[in-house]
Amino acid sequence: EAGVVQSPRYKIIEKKQPVAFWCNPISGHNTLYWYLQNLGQGPELLIRYENEEAVDDSQLPKDRFSAERLKGVDSTLKIQPAELGDSAVYLCASSLGLAGGISYNEQFFGPGTRLTVL
Amino acid sequence: GIQVEQSPPDLILQEGANSTLRCNFSDSVNNLQWFHQNPWGQLINLFYIPSGTKQNGRLSATTVATERYSLLYISSSQTTDSGVYFCAAQPYGQNFVFGPGTRLSVLP
Repeated sequence: EAGVVQSPRYKIIEKKQPVAFWCNPISGHNTLYWYLQNLGQGPELLIRYENEEAVDDSQLPKDRFSAERLKGVDSTLKIQPAELGDSAVYLCASSLGLAGGISYNEQFFGPGTRLTVL
Repeated sequence: GIQVEQSPPDLILQEGANSTLRCNFSDSVNNLQWFHQNPWGQLINLFYIPSGTKQNGRLSATTVATERYSLLYISSSQTTDSGVYFCAAQPYGQNFVFGPGTRLSVLP
């Protein structure tokens, strides 16, 4: 079974440029998460999707960040314009979610995208 | 929101030694996960353990939900065990919150 796929793995851009990250979750997983991980810290949630609905985007800086999960499968996270402080690793995770009336919340992570903003 | 603490922050072991990592959380949880982040940044699932004890090879974990802590045991450590260990706790109806991690270095 394929794991969570993310691309690109690395991205270097200049400040004020736009950037986009793509994530394909494990097949059949209804819940998709985007996390931000700064150096030396644990991941912090940016947004959580249940199918195609963003059910929690309270931590997403909406002035410059946007996300979508069309058709409830793969997802894209965008930053426009990027700032120096956005340099970090962006992680995508998925979990099975609600199935048969039971929540399966074990998260599985992709390899992440390391963003460097110059 | 929930606070998640991990101890120790850093741990250096000689190969073959045993260790215990601790995760404390400030609120009741219905889900808890342990992860190993390898030197390439990949988060690897170790345990999904909201309560009780589980074992997988040299690793085992125990969560005492009523006392709001979880322990990860590593026995006969190997150099490949090096990396950062995270716990993530999820209160009912809320999102997972990660701890700051324990950085483990196993020396040959």
